Amino acid sequence: EVQLVQSGAEVKKPGESLKISCKGSGYTFTNYWIGWVRQMPGKGLEWMGIIYPRDSDTRYSPSFQGQVTISADKSISTAHLQWSSLKASDTAMYYCARLGGGVPALWGQGTTVTVSS
Amino acid sequence: DIVMTQSPDSLAVSLGERATINCKSSQSVLYSNKNYLAWYQQKPGQPPKLLIYWASTRESGVPDRFSGSGSGTDFTLTISSLQAEDVAVYYCQQYHTPLLYTFGQGTKLEIK
Repeated sequence: EVQLVQSGAEVKKPGESLKISCKGSGYTFTNYWIGWVRQMPGKGLEWMGIIYPRDSDTRYSPSFQGQVTISADKSISTAHLQWSSLKASDTAMYYCARLGGGVPALWGQGTTVTVSS
Repeated sequence: DIVMTQSPDSLAVSLGERATINCKSSQSVLYSNKNYLAWYQQKPGQPPKLLIYWASTRESGVPDRFSGSGSGTDFTLTISSLQAEDVAVYYCQQYHTPLLYTFGQGTKLEIK
């Protein structure tokens, strides 16, 4: 089965670092771009950025440039989204999505990140 | 950035009736005769689900009561006969700008 499986929910304090993951299976991981999407509580979808696992070519939406780091480890078919210093405003659900034909067609189940003192 | 604006923000439609959601982009998403516009459905507690791409092509497995239309900057998602399971938030998304995609703000669809 072709799927993306994301890591579990996280609860962190402001200032802490965090890395969440998105593991692809059932397909050739290096052949497809993987994007990340933020959904703050009760709000809409925001495109954060995207990575091509074959060569780690990465693009960030302007709002997220410098705020997060997107990476991929093709040896374990996993993409990552990380923060060096979390803020309360990073509290959100984060989805990864695989592009197919340019469109995010396959989505992970989401990872909830809660940042609270 | 291309800004996507949906209307209305919320919509209540009776079962069996037609639901129409609009999406307008701040610049054309038409390129080489293709409109780089997708529609998603998101139910509570679930990730978004792709319904429509290239503005009017239904994703495999999506019921044919869902249809997309429009070109350039103005697009529409139509549900021809609303079913109870269609209650959700619907988003449009442009993928015209390479890898810098943007979503509309969402339209909440409820049963009247």
